[in-house]
Amino acid sequence: DAGITQSPRYKITETGRQVTLMCHQTWSHSYMFWYRQDLGHGLRLIYYSAAADITDKGEVPDGYVVSRSKTENFPLTLESATRSQTSVYFCASSESQGANEQYFGPGTRLTVT
Amino acid sequence: GENVEQHPSTLSVQEGDSAVIKCTYSDSASNYFPWYKQELGKRPQLIIDIRSNVGEKKDQRIAVTLNKTAKHFSLHITETQPEDSAVYFCAASPGGRVQGAQKLVFGQGTRLTINP
Repeated sequence: DAGITQSPRYKITETGRQVTLMCHQTWSHSYMFWYRQDLGHGLRLIYYSAAADITDKGEVPDGYVVSRSKTENFPLTLESATRSQTSVYFCASSESQGANEQYFGPGTRLTVT
Repeated sequence: GENVEQHPSTLSVQEGDSAVIKCTYSDSASNYFPWYKQELGKRPQLIIDIRSNVGEKKDQRIAVTLNKTAKHFSLHITETQPEDSAVYFCAASPGGRVQGAQKLVFGQGTRLTINP
């Protein structure tokens, strides 16, 4: 599990500010994912990436931007944070070759005031 | 797209009894169904998974059954212990070698409490 890390672990920001959540994995997994977890909604996919420079929208992409210039990093940016984006954010990664176990990072708890 | 419904949202059982959590999915093309356990304040972790070519899979006290015709799958935990208390999530994935095949759609979660 130490192979996938997230930073920061906790973040408080103000409405309208830009904030970037970082995700780093050391397994050279092709796929990486960003989820948000809210009470009553389970885990919802924001964006995912199949490889460096290949990203696609998930279920709830509005208000978020991602990039993947290197295989090991997958940052998530909230361009103008809103209170509705207060949530716990999990990054995950998995190997290629079809559906496989996703390994989750420790999560980032983001509060937008 | 895929939609996964999970029931019940909360479940309380006596230690030693069995617990069953059920999920239904909508996309008949889905062929990978994992279950994740999330302890309080921790990350989700895979506990068992099943692929569509198998009807049942067991791992010690945990088993998963899949009914592709009815599009539902279930998690069974026998001889429950206090450390089984957690939130459990089911998920479904289209699998295969298609764009987005790695995506998972999660159910809403079940909070399982084991009473001593």
